[in-house]
Amino acid sequence: EPEVTQTPSHQVTQMGQEVILRCVPISNHLYFYWYRQILGQKVEFLVSFYNNEISEKSEIFDDQFSVERPDGSNFTLKIRSTKLEDSAMYFCASSEALGADTQYFGPGTRLTVL
Amino acid sequence: AQKITQTQPGMFVQEKEAVTLDCTYDTSDPSYGLFWYKQPSSGEMIFLIYQGSYDQQNATEGRYSLNFQKARKSANLVISASQLGDSAMYFCAMREGQSGYNKLIFGAGTRLAVHP
Repeated sequence: EPEVTQTPSHQVTQMGQEVILRCVPISNHLYFYWYRQILGQKVEFLVSFYNNEISEKSEIFDDQFSVERPDGSNFTLKIRSTKLEDSAMYFCASSEALGADTQYFGPGTRLTVL
Repeated sequence: AQKITQTQPGMFVQEKEAVTLDCTYDTSDPSYGLFWYKQPSSGEMIFLIYQGSYDQQNATEGRYSLNFQKARKSANLVISASQLGDSAMYFCAMREGQSGYNKLIFGAGTRLAVHP
C-alpha cells in the first residue's frame, strides 16, 4: 500500500540553525500539507501546497518557514533559523485531487532544537 | 470557540469490550468532513475513518464506526471488541468546505488504554 515517507525520523539542531525536513508524498497525490505537534499538544496545521504554490498557511507559518517541491517526488519544509519553540513533531500529509477527502500522514520527523 | 472538542482526556476499556470516544464540532459550513486518526506511542498518525456531512449513513471500517449525529454536531468513534493494540491517542479532526486542500482542524485527543 502506498504511503507517505519522511526523513529524517529525528533531527537535533542548535538554535539559529537551518533545518530541512523532507517528505515523499503518495505518488498520485496532488495536495500536500505540513502539520506540527508540540509534545503533548494537539496537531496544528502549518501550510497546504498545490500546483507548486501555497494554498493556505497558518499564522504559525511565518517568514522563518518555507516549503518547496524541488522535483516530482519530494516536498520539503525549511526552517531558516530555528528557535527552541520549534521543537515538535512535524508531519507531512498528502491527499488526492479534488473529490477525495482523506489526508494520509507520514510517520513524522521529531525536531529537537537545543 | 473550539472547532473540535474532545472532552475525554483519557478513557479505559476492558479488552473485548466496546468503547465510545466523544467528538463534537462547530462549523457553519454546510459541507465538511470529519476524520478520526489513531496515534500510537510510536508517534505516527494513522487514518481510521471518515464521515462526510452529506453522507446518509454512518461510516464503518471494520471494528471502527462513527456515530454521526448531525443535529447535535457530534461524531463519536465507536471501537468494538477492543484489543490491546488499540491503546493509543485518538484524534478527531474536521475539514471545512469541499475542496481537497482544506486544512484539518484537530481536537486535543483522547488517550485510550485497553486493559487485559
